[in-house]
Amino acid sequence: DTGVSQDPRHKITKRGQNVTFRCDPISEHNRLYWYRQTLGQGPEFLTYFQNEAQLEKSRLLSDRFSAERPKGSFSTLEIQRTEQGDSAMYLCASSSASGSAGELFFGEGSRLTVL
Amino acid sequence: QQQVKQSPQSLIVQKGGISIINCAYENTAFDYFPWYQQFPGKGPALLIAIRPDVSEKKEGRFTISFNKSAKQFSLHIMDSQPGDSATYFCAPTGGTYKYIFGTGTRLKVLA
Repeated sequence: DTGVSQDPRHKITKRGQNVTFRCDPISEHNRLYWYRQTLGQGPEFLTYFQNEAQLEKSRLLSDRFSAERPKGSFSTLEIQRTEQGDSAMYLCASSSASGSAGELFFGEGSRLTVL
Repeated sequence: QQQVKQSPQSLIVQKGGISIINCAYENTAFDYFPWYQQFPGKGPALLIAIRPDVSEKKEGRFTISFNKSAKQFSLHIMDSQPGDSATYFCAPTGGTYKYIFGTGTRLKVLA
């Protein structure tokens, strides 16, 4: 399967703990996105990368959130000192940079529950 | 401002009917106008998209209509089927490649 893969699919943690999610994009895609989705809402933009460069980060993100994409391949999203409000589905998507916007390919998401 | 407003929030149609979902945007820099379909427990998947050089695009039972002057685009699902029951999102983008998703429309097609 050459789609976008995310790990873990589900994570339950206690408030105050750190969690890390991993995303492996489609291999030839050099743009990678992180979105957060809560029940009944649309995906909310968090950040995106072109290759290893993080080009934009949402102002809604607190300093507890950090994302990396070393070597322009897989990406990690870390949430430090988790809060109950962080409970959501974290979606990763990738696309190819062809000079114009195109299709986003999403993974199935990593669902976080903070107790 | 990159606000995107989607309507209706929910929609119930009979099998074989037409489903219409609308999306209004403010950013005139947007130049790519997609609709995504999402089933429970899955990530969104591209359904159909349009660029501003055309006013309408049809793919099978799905049609996008684009009105540049009104800053609106809509999704029409003809001959709606129970398998179309899902949540639909518009997600226009342009310039920065940041896709702004609407709040979603939950469609239920009755058999």
